[in-house]
Amino acid sequence: KNQVEQSPQSLIILEGKNCTLQCNYTVSPFSNLRWYKQDTGRGPVSLTIMTFSENTKSNGRYTATLDADTKQSSLHITASQLSDSASYICVVRDFGDYKLSFGAGTTVTVRA
Amino acid sequence: DGGITQSPKYLFRKEGQNVTLSCEQNLNHDAMYWYRQDPGQGLRLIYYSQIVNDFQKGDIAEGYSVSREKKESFPLTVTSAQKNPTAFYLCASTPGTGTDTQYFGPGTRLTVL
Repeated sequence: KNQVEQSPQSLIILEGKNCTLQCNYTVSPFSNLRWYKQDTGRGPVSLTIMTFSENTKSNGRYTATLDADTKQSSLHITASQLSDSASYICVVRDFGDYKLSFGAGTTVTVRA
Repeated sequence: DGGITQSPKYLFRKEGQNVTLSCEQNLNHDAMYWYRQDPGQGLRLIYYSQIVNDFQKGDIAEGYSVSREKKESFPLTVTSAQKNPTAFYLCASTPGTGTDTQYFGPGTRLTVL
């Protein structure tokens, strides 16, 4: 069973609107949680990283939150742009052996 | 211009053939990784190398082989023993091991005809 579950699997939003992606994980204890952006046919690029003691981290219009008690993270995209169309992947690193667990990703499509 | 390069971008293989995917980095990173990405699934680790002339199996190493003769190069061979090789393959590197951010290459899409 995958230790990182993301929802929704995909979503479509209009340009200028906001959206929130969810990530639930069972990795415990964990070292850090990252969100990556992956454009179609490209490699993932890191957006944010949070340790277990951090609650929120921003990168421009991207804001990630973390609730280590409920093992949930979210990525909020503000004022979406066409260039935000991509897959967003949640990645959790195990504390002990540094093993990475990848979510399957949420595909976001921004339409004009 | 630093980064990770992968070649070719698209690769077609006939059943029964071995193929080698190239991964080169000029970031002076010690560790390199190979992942496989399939639709609807998270990335899965094939092999990783923390230092030259040393590498370890990941979660799905069967049917794959690697070498690390140079720090900047980590080629992946997909052998005929890999039963379902059609996938998107991603190479990554980190300065060391541990909690470092992974830097990914642009990927190679392999299709078995």
